Amino acid sequence: DAGITQSPRHKVTETGTPVTLRCHQTENHRYMYWYRQDPGHGLRLIHYSYGVKDTDKGEVSDGYSVSRSKTEDFLLTLESATSSQTSVYFCAISPLLGEQFFGPGTRLTVL
Amino acid sequence: SQQGEEDPQALSIQEGENATMNCSYKTSINNLQWYRQNSGRGLVHLILIRSNEREKHSGRLRVTLDTSKKSSSLLITASRAADTASYFCATDQGSARQLTFGSGTQLTVLP
Repeated sequence: DAGITQSPRHKVTETGTPVTLRCHQTENHRYMYWYRQDPGHGLRLIHYSYGVKDTDKGEVSDGYSVSRSKTEDFLLTLESATSSQTSVYFCAISPLLGEQFFGPGTRLTVL
Repeated sequence: SQQGEEDPQALSIQEGENATMNCSYKTSINNLQWYRQNSGRGLVHLILIRSNEREKHSGRLRVTLDTSKKSSSLLITASRAADTASYFCATDQGSARQLTFGSGTQLTVLP
């Protein structure tokens, strides 16, 4: 998976609890992305980063925050998880030319 | 909102046949990309076609792009059971290397 890992791979949590997902890369790529995938919706962009401490919102950013303090790590935080955030979350990285490389995904269930 | 829309949503063919999937989009693009996703896995980049290109080949894959019709097609020739997967088109429209994904075509290749 192109030197990209996600942790945890599976998580079950309760409504109202905070959750942090981690994406780690060994490729030193500048761009990192968080997507969620839900049936019938393809992938939707949550947040992305174009450098250390440089992040921006995507299409479905409400309820999510991100941080990137090191090139290799991009964290996605759900401050107070809701059932609508049950999904599969994918991290992706990108070098200069636009194609993206995806991690294996994190399956999150919010009860 | 989704930029790319794939057609058909599902396609079932016999091994050895060709599979054609179509993608339509709404706004101008820098490039269009196709990805494959096997069940339970992350997306894998297949091919990228730039806005000034009309056709591109990679092994058994052929991608066409018609910017006047805002559409692209992915042809997989001589399909194999291992080609069974979901296929997504994604459009690159902006300077931040953001991609907008369609909802995908589920391809089943029967042995």
